[in-house]
Amino acid sequence: DGGITQSPKYLFRKEGQNVTLSCEQNLNHDAMYWYRQDPGQGLRLIYYSQIVNDFQKGDIAEGYSVSREKKESFPLTVTSAQKNPTAFYLCASKTPGELEAFFGQGTRLTVV
Amino acid sequence: AQSVTQLGSHVSVSEGALVLLRCNYSSSVPPYLFWYVQYPNQGLQLLLKYTTGATLVKGINGFEAEFKKSETSFHLTKPSAHMSDAAEYFCAVSQLTGANNLFFGTGTRLTVIP
Repeated sequence: DGGITQSPKYLFRKEGQNVTLSCEQNLNHDAMYWYRQDPGQGLRLIYYSQIVNDFQKGDIAEGYSVSREKKESFPLTVTSAQKNPTAFYLCASKTPGELEAFFGQGTRLTVV
Repeated sequence: AQSVTQLGSHVSVSEGALVLLRCNYSSSVPPYLFWYVQYPNQGLQLLLKYTTGATLVKGINGFEAEFKKSETSFHLTKPSAHMSDAAEYFCAVSQLTGANNLFFGTGTRLTVIP
């Protein structure tokens, strides 16, 4: 079945540690996105990538980094510079020029 | 610039009652509008979308929405609420130019009272 897989579903890390969230898709989509979700704030765009080896900052990129070495994969690293990293992170993908985005099941990151 | 405003962060309805979730948008170009649903600790699932053509759009699970350009609105409705409709609903706007990104509202949590 085609889809987007985010792993792990739950992640706990100590403050000051970098952590990488995985996002893999087999939908053959060129564009991939990372969103952060906090209660009452909706979804905010962290980074997006329209094509392999290229990515752009979204609205809240500070403290995050990404790579796009393969079409299928768009990992997100939450660095120690992110002041408040505890949140629900959602990955999405779509074909540029198409309207519908498909979402993964999310990763809930808790930093203690 | 594009933005979405969802009025009411929480809405409660009785089972069998009308569901009305409000969404207003701002867009400098003709918008494409979406409603997504999210169940607890899950990703987002597309309910329906408006691109062009008929302004009344039907989606999954009995939901529909009407695009009203004069009111810059895209409210989501369902004639009769079911317990399984309890979830969070997000309105979003996009355009087929530029980065083609989705801009989301802050969401409305729907509670269905038995």
